Amino acid sequence: EAQVTQNPRYLITVTGKKLTVTCSQNMNHEYMSWYRQDPGLGLRQIYYSMNVEVTDKGDVPEGYKVSRKEKRNFPLILESPSPNQTSLYFCASSLRGWNTEAFFGQGTRLTVV
Amino acid sequence: AQTVTQSQPEMSVQEAETVTLSCTYDTSENNYYLFWYKQPPSRQMILVIRQEAYKQQNATENRFSVNFQKAAKSFSLKISDSQLGDTAMYFCAFSRRRDDKIIFGKGTRLHILP
Repeated sequence: EAQVTQNPRYLITVTGKKLTVTCSQNMNHEYMSWYRQDPGLGLRQIYYSMNVEVTDKGDVPEGYKVSRKEKRNFPLILESPSPNQTSLYFCASSLRGWNTEAFFGQGTRLTVV
Repeated sequence: AQTVTQSQPEMSVQEAETVTLSCTYDTSENNYYLFWYKQPPSRQMILVIRQEAYKQQNATENRFSVNFQKAAKSFSLKISDSQLGDTAMYFCAFSRRRDDKIIFGKGTRLHILP
């Protein structure tokens, strides 16, 4: 089944403890991106990648890191999480770019206490 | 800068009724792409419909259709014969080109009542 898989789906952590949210797609998509969703703000882009080893900042990159060592994986790293990073996170991928259909993972609900 | 505005934070309609969700956007581009995404309680984001700005014909997908008014920069979604499974958050979204990001509106939460 073609899909974008995020793990974990739920995570509660403490301030300052490094964490990684994994994202993997099995559709051979070149384009991948991370978003955070907050009430009243919609989805905002954190980082995106247009191919292996090519990443760039989105609108809200502060406090996050990403890497794209393989085409299928695009992990999101929070080196020192803070409570303002409590949010719902989505990974997305697209075959031909962001003007075509994007496929989303099921989301990761992160709580930083 | 491109912006997407959804003026209805929340709506409720009876099952089988028709409902229209509003979306306006701002851009100086002549060619671009517009989307409606659905996010049901499961949280899974799903593409409902896509419109290319250079196409004058309004896109349709079964019970879902759009009213695309390019001059007015308006892109509303009409859901006909609404069903309980249409209950979801709906996001209007915009992209200029394939290597440009998707810009999302803040969403409209739609409740279909039995």
